[in-house]
Amino acid sequence: AQTVTQSQPEMSVQEAETVTLSCTYDTSESDYYLFWYKQPPSRQMILVIRQEAYKQQNATENRFSVNFQKAAKSFSLKISDSQLGDAAMYFCAYRSANTGNQFYFGTGTSLTVIP
Amino acid sequence: GAVVSQHPSWVICKSGTSVKIECRSLDFQATTMFWYRQFPKQSLMLMATSNEGSKATYEQGVEKDKFLINHASLTLSTLTVTSAHPEDSSFYICSASPWTGALAKNIQYFGAGTRLSVL
Repeated sequence: AQTVTQSQPEMSVQEAETVTLSCTYDTSESDYYLFWYKQPPSRQMILVIRQEAYKQQNATENRFSVNFQKAAKSFSLKISDSQLGDAAMYFCAYRSANTGNQFYFGTGTSLTVIP
Repeated sequence: GAVVSQHPSWVICKSGTSVKIECRSLDFQATTMFWYRQFPKQSLMLMATSNEGSKATYEQGVEKDKFLINHASLTLSTLTVTSAHPEDSSFYICSASPWTGALAKNIQYFGAGTRLSVL
C-alpha cells in the first residue's frame, strides 16, 4: 500500500500571512493523483486542490497552490493570504491512476489561523 | 459540484441494537462508494469499499459481520452497525466517486459524516 506522510501535526499562521503544509508519499507508480482535503470543525471533508502526476505544472486554486516535486515525491500546499476560515485539519491524499480508486490519506495537519 | 448526502448526522443508540447509516450521491452515479471511520483528531481509516451489485471489500481487521454494507443502486450505499457496543462509537464518513462525466476527475466526494454514540 502507498504511504502518505504529513510530518507537521500542527501548524499556525497569522491572518493574511502565508503558510506551507508538507506532504510526502511513497509509491513505485508513475501515474497517480494527489489531493489536499480540508476538514473544518464541522468535519465535512472538502476538496481543496488536485494534481495529476503527469502534469508538470503546479495546480492552483485561488489562494491555494501546490509545489509538486515528482522526483522527490513531495506535494506541499501553500495557503496565501490566510483567512480565519482556513483553520481546519488538512489531509494529503494519494490515488493510483491504474490500480483501483482507493485513496490513501496522510495523518493530517491541524492549521490554526491567528487573528 | 457533486453532492453526497449522509444520514443521519448523529445517532445515539443502546448497546446491542443495530444502526443503519445511508450514503446517497445526489447528482451523480457511483459504482463505488467508500466507508471510513475517524477517531478524534486522527485521519480517516478506510473500512470497506462498497461496490454496486456485488459484495463489499473489507479492509483487514474490519469485521464484515458487524459492519454490513449494501450497495443496492448506483446512488445508495448503506452501512449497518450490528449489535453495536460502546467501542463502536465513532465518526463514520462515506465518500463516492462519479464513474463518468465531467464530475469524474478521479475525485472522492464526501458525506458530512455520522456521529455514532453507543450507550
